[in-house]
Amino acid sequence: QKEVEQNSGPLSVPEGAIASLNCTYSDRVSQSFFWYRQYSGKSPELIMSIYSNGDKEDGRFTAQLNKASQYVSLLIRDSQPSDSATYLCAVSLGSSNTGKLIFGQGTTLQVKP
Amino acid sequence: SAVISQKPSRDICQRGTSLTIQCQVDSQVTMMFWYRQQPGQSLTLIATANQGSEATYESGFVIDKFPISRPNLTFSTLTVSNMSPEDSSIYLCSGQTGVTEAFFGQGTRLTVV
Repeated sequence: QKEVEQNSGPLSVPEGAIASLNCTYSDRVSQSFFWYRQYSGKSPELIMSIYSNGDKEDGRFTAQLNKASQYVSLLIRDSQPSDSATYLCAVSLGSSNTGKLIFGQGTTLQVKP
Repeated sequence: SAVISQKPSRDICQRGTSLTIQCQVDSQVTMMFWYRQQPGQSLTLIATANQGSEATYESGFVIDKFPISRPNLTFSTLTVSNMSPEDSSIYLCSGQTGVTEAFFGQGTRLTVV
């Protein structure tokens, strides 16, 4: 059974702080990893993708991937109340990015003003 | 980037009836998928919608309950058949091209009474 594990939270951080979200996955074959943000009542929105070991930065967001440890993380710098949402870690099944995703249970982030 | 229009956005249905959900993409996509998000849960993959052929279902999902069509590269339907209250969920379609990450329709919030 291929799995993606996340801490469901809630993770609460003050405005301006760094939020750190973590994810582990079980399928060693997977090569494509994604973070989606989901606001309550809305559909998931892609915020980061990462395919190689190391860090990938996009604005206030940094994704980190360690395939040896089967670990993906998302850092959100200068957290804003508008970042309050559920963050879903997703892994593409198989050795390529097919779009066929397995999702973690999501981490709820609360950013307090 | 491509946009998926999904409808209906919500519906309340009587048990024992069926509902068909439609997804229309504004450009051709290679892959289309259907997910279910039960209340308070993450997304679970139902099936891959294959263009011009039968869908490929994940473990726990069967064609008789969730028939899927994909007549062309921009359109797919999911039918939830013989509904029971346990089918109350959000149903989401996603699409992916060879050069993009998976993106989602707005979701259909189904309540079965």
